[in-house]
Amino acid sequence: AQKITQTQPGMFVQEKEAVTLDCTYDTSDPSYGLFWYKQPSSGEMIFLIYQGSYDQQNATEGRYSLNFQKARKSANLVISASQLGDSAMYFCAMSPGYSSASKIIFGSGTRLSIRP
Amino acid sequence: GAVVSQHPSWVICKSGTSVKIECRSLDFQATTMFWYRQFPKQSLMLMATSNEGSKATYEQGVEKDKFLINHASLTLSTLTVTSAHPEDSSFYICSARGGTDLSGTEAFFGQGTRLTVV
Repeated sequence: AQKITQTQPGMFVQEKEAVTLDCTYDTSDPSYGLFWYKQPSSGEMIFLIYQGSYDQQNATEGRYSLNFQKARKSANLVISASQLGDSAMYFCAMSPGYSSASKIIFGSGTRLSIRP
Repeated sequence: GAVVSQHPSWVICKSGTSVKIECRSLDFQATTMFWYRQFPKQSLMLMATSNEGSKATYEQGVEKDKFLINHASLTLSTLTVTSAHPEDSSFYICSARGGTDLSGTEAFFGQGTRLTVV
């Protein structure tokens, strides 16, 4: 069975500092995708970044980067130069397999609060 | 990115009535759609996976007779909460995947529907 674990229920970070949100996963599938989503108070799910299990390089998207350590089964999200607008819930997610029919399962989330 | 439209964004209904939630992919063909349920301050729990033209696959513990899912076309899936009760009050959100690009980033979410059963 697949499982996503986020051990940080909440984090407070000073504006402009970098922050790392932890995520570990468990799967027996050799092929899988890892996602990070942001959910502001409005409820919408905003896609941030994706990492495929066979990708050699860590994914980066603007201020977001994914620290992928396959042997440790971790996929931490790093946000550089945090901004007040980054305050939200952040979910790590995994999709077993590379098919677009594969379901996506979510971790419990981390509530990030940015202090001015 | 692609747009998934979910309607209504919120609904209040009386206990015992049924509520239908629509999820549309506006600019791509969604071969697979997913329905999630989210309680306050909790994660998204997958309820079911629906493929166009076939029966939905429900996750363990989800009552298929209560949560009816129809995926009649490549752009529309509906979730009907039948005989709703207050415990069905929740945030329901759909997701769509599809197309020919298997990059894995094709997972687009609707805006969500907040259901309140009184």
